[in-house]
Amino acid sequence: GQQLNQSPQSMFIQEGEDVSMNCTSSSIFNTWLWYKQDPGEGPVLLIALYKAGELTSNGRLTAQFGITRKDSFLNISASIPSDVGIYFCAGQLVASNTGKLIFGQGTTLQVKP
Amino acid sequence: DGGITQSPKYLFRKEGQNVTLSCEQNLNHDAMYWYRQDPGQGLRLIYYSQIVNDFQKGDIAEGYSVSREKKESFPLTVTSAQKNPTAFYLCASTGVEGRNQPQHFGDGTRLSIL
Repeated sequence: GQQLNQSPQSMFIQEGEDVSMNCTSSSIFNTWLWYKQDPGEGPVLLIALYKAGELTSNGRLTAQFGITRKDSFLNISASIPSDVGIYFCAGQLVASNTGKLIFGQGTTLQVKP
Repeated sequence: DGGITQSPKYLFRKEGQNVTLSCEQNLNHDAMYWYRQDPGQGLRLIYYSQIVNDFQKGDIAEGYSVSREKKESFPLTVTSAQKNPTAFYLCASTGVEGRNQPQHFGDGTRLSIL
């Protein structure tokens, strides 16, 4: 099946630093979602994007739906230890009417206090 | 509280055994999904269902089976034909036939081989 190209694969940063991760694809999406997964738990929705160019914030998190509809990024400002986890992007293809999502491989974030 | 409940949290399978993972939701969602997660990989779709009594294969359906007899329940059976079943299994659901609605996930079941 299709997959999104998510990068970086992992990040190890100092507390207080900003973080940026992104997802790209050769396909066009009508929805981009960003999830966070803590160890042993299910992914939790952080931000949902529905329009090309849309920029949405959720506290210290900001995500954008790329103009080309083929990419999205997530920024985390002033990272804190509880930001540790795996972040996944997910997209729904324009041609899909099933709600099926395509997931990136995840970005593992570690924050050093 | 509304949500998705998966059980059990941990499950062990013997050789040649079928095991069933439970997924229940009280969100009144129409669509439900099963994913498999392996270390270092994204989520891969096993099966999905958009309506009661109907379901479709995902990308890695071989060795798995599902049923959707009730709107709120979507159990997954890992059959003995699945030769590498050790993984973290996630169930998700979404409303309005899944169109432009984010999926919400349960807390997963970790399946291991004895």
